Amino acid sequence: NAGVTQTPKFQVLKTGQSMTLQCAQDMNHEYMSWYRQDPGMGLRLIHYSVGAGITDQGEVPNGYNVSRSTTEDFPLRLLSAAPSQTSVYFCASRITGDYGYTFGSGTRLTVV
Amino acid sequence: GNSVTQMEGPVTLSEEAFLTINCTYTATGYPSLFWYVQYPGEGLQLLLKATKADDKGSNKGFEATYRKETTSFHLEKGSVQVSDSAVYFCALSDQRGTDKLIFGQGTTLQVKP
Repeated sequence: NAGVTQTPKFQVLKTGQSMTLQCAQDMNHEYMSWYRQDPGMGLRLIHYSVGAGITDQGEVPNGYNVSRSTTEDFPLRLLSAAPSQTSVYFCASRITGDYGYTFGSGTRLTVV
Repeated sequence: GNSVTQMEGPVTLSEEAFLTINCTYTATGYPSLFWYVQYPGEGLQLLLKATKADDKGSNKGFEATYRKETTSFHLEKGSVQVSDSAVYFCALSDQRGTDKLIFGQGTTLQVKP
């Protein structure tokens, strides 16, 4: 049972490039979320999904897109990377009725 | 809006010392409260949770009690170990429909032998 798997673990992008951060879970969790972690700011919600085909914006959605075509996968797309998007990104999932999230191990992204 | 405030770190303790990390919150309604732990280079792991007032969450020797009257959820452990060195995050569930966990800033704990 792998839990929440994120790839890649590290990535360096040039300003203006696009890329997709992958997230997959094998626990049949309905809810999935993307957070970014920045020093001194805790974690902030980017986008979330309450099930396949349903997504919504969180606290800091600008510059990011998501889709949820299957229960298992919830990729995060950076449309045109900016240095302000340098951060550690975490994907998380949970089941209905339990707010205890399971987190992936994170993707450390640097935009130069 | 809802918010979580944690004591600032870093907290440095000797092995076997008593640990308290303070957490207070502001929320409408009846949120669930959580403590997550992040070891160096890893993602967050759920440490414990409490879903209603007066509930006590516990795990691995850590405890926290949901105190609605003082809006607090302080984390305690009677005897810390070097392996407890990590960053600890207090969080609450935002039950206003955004499926959002609201996190505190995190408190770094360093335990010295």
